[in-house]
Amino acid sequence: EMQLVDSGGGLVKPGGSLRLSCEVSGFTFTKTWVSWVRQAPGKGLEWVGRIRSETDGGATEYAAPVKARFTISRDGSKHTVHLQMNSLQSEDTAVYYCTTVGYNYGSESFDYWGQGTLVTVSS
Amino acid sequence: QSVLTQPPSASGTPGQRVTISCSGSSSNIGRNYVFWYQQPPGAAPKLLIYRNDHRPSGVPDRFSASKSGTSVSLAISSLRSEDEADYYCSTWDDSLSAYVFGTGTKVAVL
Repeated sequence: EMQLVDSGGGLVKPGGSLRLSCEVSGFTFTKTWVSWVRQAPGKGLEWVGRIRSETDGGATEYAAPVKARFTISRDGSKHTVHLQMNSLQSEDTAVYYCTTVGYNYGSESFDYWGQGTLVTVSS
Repeated sequence: QSVLTQPPSASGTPGQRVTISCSGSSSNIGRNYVFWYQQPPGAAPKLLIYRNDHRPSGVPDRFSASKSGTSVSLAISSLRSEDEADYYCSTWDDSLSAYVFGTGTKVAVL
């Protein structure tokens, strides 16, 4: 069964850091691109960033609001993708979802999603 | 701020047809495939339409989509109560070098 499990969310103070994890199962991990998408309370979806598959070089790209503060990495031994978030601000408060990118349904599709993990940035 | 514009809401009675529009520009919808996502209340989004007008396995054929120039639309024929959800269009934007989402449309079944 194809599954993504997000974890690591919680309450963090402004300026703090947090690391989210996305455990991927049921996929050929070395061929899997993964993105992070977030959703602020009561708001729409916003793309955060993506990491290419190991077979495609593993490069990362980020949305402008998080560039230089967020870093996506992958651990092949644990089939896990991490989102390291630094210098967090109140505007980063959101549910964060990890998704596969183009695994079965064409490039640029977010075809499978995790259940989401809530990040709250507040003093 | 979303670069893809959708109406905030749409509604219909069971069995009716509902259409949702999504408007973009030449740097996004005009050049790239468009995808649609369905997000039921309190749940994660799910891929509904890929590459403009294709349905993933398991998605009922009541859902269809089309593209024309820099706009796309999603149609739900024969509306059912379980279709109550938020719907988002999405694509890659060449100018931003980023994925972009529509503003989202909440569909209500009256």
